[in-house]
Amino acid sequence: RKEVEQDPGPFNVPEGATVAFNCTYSNSASQSFFWYRQDCRKEPKLLMSVYSSGNEDGRFTAQLNRASQYISLLIRDSKLSDSATYLCVVNTYNDMRFGAGTRLTVKP
Amino acid sequence: GAVVSQHPSWVICKSGTSVKIECRSLDFQATTMFWYRQFPKQSLMLMATSNEGSKATYEQGVEKDKFLINHASLTLSTLTVTSAHPEDSSFYICSARPPGYQPQHFGDGTRLSIL
Repeated sequence: RKEVEQDPGPFNVPEGATVAFNCTYSNSASQSFFWYRQDCRKEPKLLMSVYSSGNEDGRFTAQLNRASQYISLLIRDSKLSDSATYLCVVNTYNDMRFGAGTRLTVKP
Repeated sequence: GAVVSQHPSWVICKSGTSVKIECRSLDFQATTMFWYRQFPKQSLMLMATSNEGSKATYEQGVEKDKFLINHASLTLSTLTVTSAHPEDSSFYICSARPPGYQPQHFGDGTRLSIL
């Protein structure tokens, strides 16, 4: 079993749709959680941190459920420019693990 | 601006050449840096965790004698692909993070093409 698992997709959604991704992790000692976005042929870029209380940044909402060991990312009102691969990253103090990424394509 | 600098961004060289890639943290000291490889249309794969002042920890299946990692200072880690062959052609990325639970920042990546 992988330490961090994501549905690889692809998710193909129309513009304006709401889409949600989940990510599960196995290490209960994990302490910090992040979502990254990776465009084709580019390096991953930090999208947002994820907190137990949940956090929102514009159209993006991230949530952490420690008891069930999963994190989620919700994208509202999808834009064409949201098309990318979304990676969840899970850190312990000295280590980090990440999922294989979820591919999102937003279509006109 | 970039907080992690990776150099070079593109390398094309002949088979058998050794290639060194540098990863520098610009705004912080990174006791840990990570090296990844990504083949076209595939997921990012962690190759090794580079710890300052000690030996790197390699992921299963990654040849440590093939991919030499040096992390001699808190701001610099290097990956050397020794005697590179066409199958080593890939996108190599590094990341670094400040101590504790901060997010890592990725370098721009290095496209390695071995002819």
